[in-house]
Amino acid sequence: GESVGLHLPTLSVQEGDNSIINCAYSNSASDYFIWYKQESGKGPQFIIDIRSNMDKRQGQRVTVLLNKTVKHLSLQIAATQPGDSAVYFCAEKSSGNTPLVFGKGTRLSVIA
Amino acid sequence: KAGVTQTPRYLIKTRGQQVTLSCSPISGHRSVSWYQQTPGQGLQFLFEYFSETQRNKGNFPGRFSGRQFSNSRSEMNVSTLELGDSALYLCASSLDEGTYGYTFGSGTRLTVV
Repeated sequence: GESVGLHLPTLSVQEGDNSIINCAYSNSASDYFIWYKQESGKGPQFIIDIRSNMDKRQGQRVTVLLNKTVKHLSLQIAATQPGDSAVYFCAEKSSGNTPLVFGKGTRLSVIA
Repeated sequence: KAGVTQTPRYLIKTRGQQVTLSCSPISGHRSVSWYQQTPGQGLQFLFEYFSETQRNKGNFPGRFSGRQFSNSRSEMNVSTLELGDSALYLCASSLDEGTYGYTFGSGTRLTVV
């Protein structure tokens, strides 16, 4: 498969454990945040999003936490499965006609 | 409903040549954004188009250009290719300008030799 990031930080977790992936964002004016999952040979796939008026949002097995004070975002994956192995990106956007800006990404490796 | 379609999937070009990549957004989506993804730089924003007009442009040289057609399909062009242009080029579509729901295609893998 194609490598999407040879120099990414890697998080290795045991199958069934919870995973926490962190992201520091750069723009204090950002009001919308997204987590994407990218598997080898594919484009980024939407996981979950959160707006700046929220601190926490839950999806199916995933939770996103937002700390605007320290400009920090985290993605929690419950009961991590082998299919969760991928590169995870956070992205931020501010209101209006501005582009979506991506963080560097974290590679999640699930050990069966 | 069909997703974002990018063609070709893979491309090999020689230094100095030019290349055109195509992106068909999700039906009904009118905004298209392009990103360059490399191992060293991650996903870098190239440009965004809405209603056939470039709305935003990233920090790339003028060799990188794009356009959008009346049916919202978009093309990007890279002229005078350099080895460093080797990358995965990703297209994302969203419903309207300034909206937040971005859906990505699988990308075009460009290799410059």
